[in-house]
Amino acid sequence: KAGVTQTPRYLIKTRGQQVTLSCSPISGHRSVSWYQQTPGQGLQFLFEYFSETQRNKGNFPGRFSGRQFSNSRSEMNVSTLELGDSALYLCASSQGLAGGHNEQFFGPGTRLTVL
Amino acid sequence: SQQGEEDPQALSIQEGENATMNCSYKTSINNLQWYRQNSGRGLVHLILIRSNEREKHSGRLRVTLDTSKKSSSLLITASRAADTASYFCATAGKAAGNKLTFGGGTRVLVKP
Repeated sequence: KAGVTQTPRYLIKTRGQQVTLSCSPISGHRSVSWYQQTPGQGLQFLFEYFSETQRNKGNFPGRFSGRQFSNSRSEMNVSTLELGDSALYLCASSQGLAGGHNEQFFGPGTRLTVL
Repeated sequence: SQQGEEDPQALSIQEGENATMNCSYKTSINNLQWYRQNSGRGLVHLILIRSNEREKHSGRLRVTLDTSKKSSSLLITASRAADTASYFCATAGKAAGNKLTFGGGTRVLVKP
């Protein structure tokens, strides 16, 4: 079974631009969660999608948004990029909701650098 | 804010020794999970322990959970250089908004 894939793996953008990151979950998994990881703040939850619906959202500004498609693939978008958005963005999939007794499978992440 | 806090923040041991790290959390949970991360890559799930369980084993890993103290420990026995990584605890539960919340992690260095 193929693992969680994320594209692109690396991205360099400038302030004010927007970016779209993509995540393909493990086949059969309906939940996709996104996390931001930085040295200062650690791993922070962004949002979770399940069956194309956002089920949970972290404490991030509205510049961060996401969506999930009928095949469970998910995208997240960050608009008006700021220097502080530089981070490793991780996607994780699970069979059920992340808040339940479900192991999460993580992708390799997208390293975003904002200049 | 983070639900889980790991202790110690960093740990350096010799190959063959045991490594123990602890995680404390603040609210009631459904389960607690441990993950490993190598060099800023994706996380790998190690163990999930439910709130009604006290101890769980997986290979060289042993996890305990004390819900009365809101704490968990991860023991890696007979460590190997390949165990060098960051280890994170994560909690899930209604009280924390039904999302998986990660601690700050423990960086483990296993010297050959």
